[in-house]
Amino acid sequence: DIQMTQSPSTLSASVGDRVTITCRASQGISVYLAWYQQKPGKPPKLLINKASSLQSGVPSRFSGGGSGAEFTLTISSLQPEDFATYYCQQYNSYWITFGQGTRLEIK
Amino acid sequence: EVQLLESGGGLVPPGGSLRLSCSASVFNFSNFAMSWVRQAPGKGLEWVSTLRGIDGSTFYAEAVRGRFSFFRDNSKNTLYLHMNNLGAGDTALYFCAKGSGSYKTEFDYWGQGTLVTVSS
Repeated sequence: DIQMTQSPSTLSASVGDRVTITCRASQGISVYLAWYQQKPGKPPKLLINKASSLQSGVPSRFSGGGSGAEFTLTISSLQPEDFATYYCQQYNSYWITFGQGTRLEIK
Repeated sequence: EVQLLESGGGLVPPGGSLRLSCSASVFNFSNFAMSWVRQAPGKGLEWVSTLRGIDGSTFYAEAVRGRFSFFRDNSKNTLYLHMNNLGAGDTALYFCAKGSGSYKTEFDYWGQGTLVTVSS
């Protein structure tokens, strides 16, 4: 199975900050990477697919980049509603794997 | 709007069986890959299984292969996850998720989940 490693596991930041979360794959996955946001008690919400394609309705302060084995999710100016847990997911094969998650908390 | 509704969760003893259901509105399963993803209490997301829409092929995570079976009833627009020989490690909130496509796809819609608790 392809292993996905996110860093950091926890990120403390303030409203207005620019933050970046990294996701590394144990082997190349082209651009078959998605990012999700999850808030407590809710299902995950798709933010970005194909590494950099913003899902309809997702604010433009979210952006994704990378290809191959290293990917990033950047939030350009944190808003109060962005404090949540973020997961990357590879779907280069049917044996899908997720990163362990990055908890974004208020500093 | 696409809606996914899971049901069938509950408390089951170790070694027991359970069948989860996922009913879908608006769209035709045949055009999309559908999956189950679980989340143990306080933990991250874990992919469980995918059913490919076009031909019904199924794929399973190693942790559940041989114990879980994913199938669909097109006439009822409902998916099922039959789970056997359950253990404590299977305790989780089980989400049904729709792929945006039929192959190599991310999940664009999720249900609210159904909780499975394995305990004596």
